[in-house]
Amino acid sequence: QSVLTQPPSVSGAPGQRVTISCTGSSSNIGAGYDVHWYQQLPGTAPKLLIYGNSNRPSGVPDRFSGSKSGTSASLAITGLQAEDEADYYCQSYDSSLSGYAVFGGGTQLTVL
Amino acid sequence: EVQLVQSGAEVKKPGESLKISCKGSGYSFTSYWIGWVRQMPGKGLEWMGIIYPGDSDTRYSPSFQGQVTISADKSISTAYLQWSSLKASDTAMYYCVRHDCGGDCYFDYWGQGTLVTVSS
Repeated sequence: QSVLTQPPSVSGAPGQRVTISCTGSSSNIGAGYDVHWYQQLPGTAPKLLIYGNSNRPSGVPDRFSGSKSGTSASLAITGLQAEDEADYYCQSYDSSLSGYAVFGGGTQLTVL
Repeated sequence: EVQLVQSGAEVKKPGESLKISCKGSGYSFTSYWIGWVRQMPGKGLEWMGIIYPGDSDTRYSPSFQGQVTISADKSISTAYLQWSSLKASDTAMYYCVRHDCGGDCYFDYWGQGTLVTVSS
């Protein structure tokens, strides 16, 4: 059981908007730790998608955005494209685990 | 260009030892924490631990403490993950990751992964 909870799967049609939630607790997201997001395309290593809750690394399209509120965070993808089909993971830190990194269980995005 | 290049896939038997590597280039290797993430077949990501090559300060996730050893040789910009006695449950893909810790740490660069298969 992951410390951060994500829906196992989401789906959307090309052009649509989808969101992926990441729910934590008062010892991680709610404690003020930043949330980061990673995209893992099939058969490849994960890649940083969003850092510091809402910042995009160079090269990441602005179709991807992140937000955080209270004990949860969200990743939004607008203008869904077939190439967005991947697994998405949130990551934060947890004070109950000596401040070590924790991941969500991952969400598989299917583009219909 | 920052790169993390990992050693190749390994097939081992239970009880054998193993050391896999991750060579960093394109940045100051001693100035960033570098760590390891496990992904078991069909499963999610698990953070294992980190090392600061500048002074070899090493920290482990409670789940992996005592199960693996993380080390680094700063003279050749290489980090290592090793097992003294492999189990079938160690079968997984292992990624090395550079930690950017300007604020809360996040993993800005990933190696290509090393697949470890443990089978009798």
